[in-house]
Amino acid sequence: QKEVEQDPGPLSVPEGAIVSLNCTYSNSAFQYFMWYRQYSRKGPELLMYTYSSGNKEDGRFTAQVDKSSKYISLFIRDSQPSDSATYLCAMNAPDNFNKFYFGSGTKLNVKP
Amino acid sequence: EAQVTQNPRYLITVTGKKLTVTCSQNMNHEYMSWYRQDPGLGLRQIYYSMNVEVTDKGDVPEGYKVSRKEKRNFPLILESPSPNQTSLYFCASSLLAGINEQFFGPGTRLTVL
Repeated sequence: QKEVEQDPGPLSVPEGAIVSLNCTYSNSAFQYFMWYRQYSRKGPELLMYTYSSGNKEDGRFTAQVDKSSKYISLFIRDSQPSDSATYLCAMNAPDNFNKFYFGSGTKLNVKP
Repeated sequence: EAQVTQNPRYLITVTGKKLTVTCSQNMNHEYMSWYRQDPGLGLRQIYYSMNVEVTDKGDVPEGYKVSRKEKRNFPLILESPSPNQTSLYFCASSLLAGINEQFFGPGTRLTVL
């Protein structure tokens, strides 16, 4: 079983829609959760990170962690064509901060 | 400009011919890491380095070597490449590990025939 599972999509939505991207994980030791955005032919860039359970908001983006269900989400409000990219979740655990576990990425297409 | 650079960006080679992919960062970061990205498998960590002369294996280290002789450089070495190492490779760096933001390079697309 993979440590982190993520629906690959693609997910196609109209401009202005609310987008929900999700990851599940199997290791209950994971405590730090990150979302990266990757545009085509580019390296990933950090979008948001959260620690343990709860919500974190940054502009149109909200990251949510439910440790009891081992489930994390990224919500994008008022989605824009410029949000079209692949979104990768990533996580690590306190026993080894040097190791990162990424999901396979969800490809999002926001249509004008 | 703060950045991570990788060279070459594209490489086609043949089985068994040793190659090195260079990675350099100009942000004085302690932590550097190599990943490979394959369709359906996402990013998988190959090796990482916490500081000069300190490296450790990630999830998929087989067939790869690394060295960290200088803080800014972290080359990835494939001593005898095989076709299953055909992939998109990313180098990343961050101030420290953990939740510090990782800055990724532009990627190196490697094809091994």
